[in-house]
Amino acid sequence: GENVEQHPSTLSVQEGDSAVIKCTYSDSASNYFPWYKQELGKGSQLIIDIRSNVGEKKDQRIAVTLNKTAKHFSLHITETQPEDSAVYFCAATDNYGQNFVFGPGTRLSVLP
Amino acid sequence: NAGVTQTPKFQVLKTGQSMTLQCAQDMNHEYMSWYRQDPGMGLRLIHYSVGAGITDQGEVPNGYNVSRSTTEDFPLRLLSAAPSQTSVYFCASSSLQGGTNEKLFFGSGTQLSVL
Repeated sequence: GENVEQHPSTLSVQEGDSAVIKCTYSDSASNYFPWYKQELGKGSQLIIDIRSNVGEKKDQRIAVTLNKTAKHFSLHITETQPEDSAVYFCAATDNYGQNFVFGPGTRLSVLP
Repeated sequence: NAGVTQTPKFQVLKTGQSMTLQCAQDMNHEYMSWYRQDPGMGLRLIHYSVGAGITDQGEVPNGYNVSRSTTEDFPLRLLSAAPSQTSVYFCASSSLQGGTNEKLFFGSGTQLSVL
């Protein structure tokens, strides 16, 4: 079945700097890759996603890149702000495209 | 529009006790699911449902039961709680457009401790 790895597990950056979180997946049949943000005491929220027929997608300060050949995808946050501090999860669709396999998460801290 | 509502937010159980975690959504979503979140392990799928009357097992189903009698509700039952079930539980739902599962909407979670 699908396996998703995520690095780093923790990341601290200065406000205004960029942050990059990387994920790898094992199943070449996976075709949808969302990123979720979980703030303290809350459920996760979708922040950006990418499909396998696209190499890059951007939404304001957030971008995701996908390398199908290498089976990895990355989240890029530019001009980080304190409110970006949260746990970020990457995910990939499972064998049947119905459920998701999540990475272990990255705790991002943006220092003022 | 409340989205996905989970109750309770916190619960402490003794080993062997049973309880039900409630989950309700008001978005008419076909797909509903339960995850548990443990440190360093991300979100792991327990059970899921693609519609009323249909349930299936996820990655870690042992010790948990679910039912889906209505579109709105998807309760998770712990029949005999064990310390290994200490975790944070999240319910999530989504609309299956054309059979494709994409944007999940999460509840705010239930923190469960089993002593």
